[in-house]
Amino acid sequence: QVQLVQSGAEVKKPGASVKVSCKASGYTVTSYGISWVRQAPGQGLEWMGWMSVHNGNTNYAQKFQGRVTMTTDTSTSTTYMELRSLRSDDTAVYYCARESKDYYYAMDVWGQGTTVTVSS
Amino acid sequence: EIVLTQSPGTLSLSPGERATLSCRASQSVSSSYLAWYQQTPGQAPRLLIYGASSRATGIPDRFSGGGSGTDFTLTISRLEPEDFAVYYCQQYGRSPRTFGQGTKVEIK
Repeated sequence: QVQLVQSGAEVKKPGASVKVSCKASGYTVTSYGISWVRQAPGQGLEWMGWMSVHNGNTNYAQKFQGRVTMTTDTSTSTTYMELRSLRSDDTAVYYCARESKDYYYAMDVWGQGTTVTVSS
Repeated sequence: EIVLTQSPGTLSLSPGERATLSCRASQSVSSSYLAWYQQTPGQAPRLLIYGASSRATGIPDRFSGGGSGTDFTLTISRLEPEDFAVYYCQQYGRSPRTFGQGTKVEIK
């Protein structure tokens, strides 16, 4: 079935980097884009950015410009989100989500989430 | 950036009652690019409504969306036990994509 499976939980120190993976299955990955959304503990959803799996184009939220990089490896159907210079307020659950043209590019399939904890 | 403001913050209702959730945008949003998501504790969000009023595959018809311009609503006609959750609106017509802060529907 169509699914996105993310990598496991991470614990990082302030100033470090984290790279979260999102492996797609059950559909043609190059036909869809992937967005990354995070959720701090007890808070709402925050969009971080989007990438086209087809051509690698990216669109990052200004808040994360210069600190985030989204990449894809179509040979393994895996998309990655790297966040650098981590701070304690980057502690959150990070989700990848497929954007489907069938739903006017709403996010119809979500990964299970990856908890990233930033602590000294 | 388009700011989405959801109201109320919390809605306390009983099973079987009707829930009406509001999402107001700081600028006009194309109806094609307004979505609603449901999130239960510990789970990823689930797409309910896209294009302001179209139900995603598998979503029960007790969920309906409406509105245009800057005012959108999500209505749950008769609350089932599994509907008690947090609901988020999202616009994805302009970058950055933005979410509302969420409305929690809790059991009264």
